Amino acid sequence: KAGVTQTPRYLIKTRGQQVTLSCSPISGHRSVSWYQQTPGQGLQFLFEYFSETQRNKGNFPGRFSGRQFSNSRSEMNVSTLELGDSALYLCASSPRLGNTQYFGPGTRLTVL
Amino acid sequence: QQQVKQSPQSLIVQKGGISIINCAYENTAFDYFPWYQQFPGKGPALLIAIRPDVSEKKEGRFTISFNKSAKQFSLHIMDSQPGDSATYFCAASINNDMRFGAGTRLTVKP
Repeated sequence: KAGVTQTPRYLIKTRGQQVTLSCSPISGHRSVSWYQQTPGQGLQFLFEYFSETQRNKGNFPGRFSGRQFSNSRSEMNVSTLELGDSALYLCASSPRLGNTQYFGPGTRLTVL
Repeated sequence: QQQVKQSPQSLIVQKGGISIINCAYENTAFDYFPWYQQFPGKGPALLIAIRPDVSEKKEGRFTISFNKSAKQFSLHIMDSQPGDSATYFCAASINNDMRFGAGTRLTVKP
């Protein structure tokens, strides 16, 4: 089975722009979670989607949003980018809620 | 609010030695405790996980010890190898809302 894939792998944006990141979960997995990883804050939970519905949300501002499609693929969007949004954004999928999560390789976002 | 505290921040072990990483959590509602291994440039990979109804789980050289009353759990890596050099994260979750420890950078010297 193919693993979790994330596109693009690298992205450079400037302050004020917006960005959309994409995640394709493992086939058959219906839950997709997003995390932000930075050297200073570590791994922080952004939000989680299951069957196209946001089930959980971390403590991030409203500039961070996401959605899940009927095929379980997910996108996250960050609007009005700030320098502090530079991070590795990780997507993880699992078959259902409360189950093991499998991570993708991440998208490295750099905000200049 | 840091819900999962991990220590040490970094660890250097000789080849063949035992690596021990500790985590403590606050929320007693957490019901799943995984450990992830992350190499540079890669996403975290699940190493081993435990649920609170079990006190110990062993998979190969990796063992999780879980103390529910103390709200602590630890990862033991036996016979540590240079290839184990990576960053290790403990985590605790409820329904896929996963909270991670800050990570431990393990270096195994040959």
